[in-house]
Amino acid sequence: AQSVTQLDSHVSVSEGTPVLLRCNYSSSYSPSLFWYVQHPNKGLQLLLKYTSAATLVKGINGFEAEFKKSETSFHLTKPSAHMSDAAEYFCVVSGGGNTGKLIFGQGTTLQVKP
Amino acid sequence: DTGVSQDPRHKITKRGQNVTFRCDPISEHNRLYWYRQTLGQGPEFLTYFQNEAQLEKSRLLSDRFSAERPKGSFSTLEIQRTEQGDSAMYLCASSGTGHNQPQHFGDGTRLSIL
Repeated sequence: AQSVTQLDSHVSVSEGTPVLLRCNYSSSYSPSLFWYVQHPNKGLQLLLKYTSAATLVKGINGFEAEFKKSETSFHLTKPSAHMSDAAEYFCVVSGGGNTGKLIFGQGTTLQVKP
Repeated sequence: DTGVSQDPRHKITKRGQNVTFRCDPISEHNRLYWYRQTLGQGPEFLTYFQNEAQLEKSRLLSDRFSAERPKGSFSTLEIQRTEQGDSAMYLCASSGTGHNQPQHFGDGTRLSIL
């Protein structure tokens, strides 16, 4: 079965400093992995996706993630945090089969301090 | 591309009442998904349609829940005899049918049971 574990429920950084949100996955086959962001009372926006092409994936708003099969990790990074990055972030794995249903991690709340 | 639209945004009802939510997907998307998100958790898959066919239902979807997509366009999710535990954000997403097509989410319907 597919699953993801987000290692931090809350991350706090200062504006202008790097961001690291950690995610480990478990999958019985080569997974498709995603990061989504959710601002308060809003739906989810896709930041980036990994689908077995390049292991370093670039997304929107300066975010990127690196797929490491040996570590079963898919950590999200950004060189310099902006106040507008404060939100909930979800690491997601495709559930497999033909449906494409998504399996979400518990989420990491990113706080950005001025 | 007007995005995924959900209606209503908020619904407050008394326990035992029936409620119905509507989702309008992105027009060219064949696949439509419903997820439920409770406070502090990641979304959980409920059900999935490809065109008008409901192809998968989660065990979370009790007999009180029913979803339809009669013409392969918009979808409705009905909850009968609502219970306190039904309070959640109900999210709709749509995607194309290609391999690993990203899911685009609406802003959700927040249901509060009094």
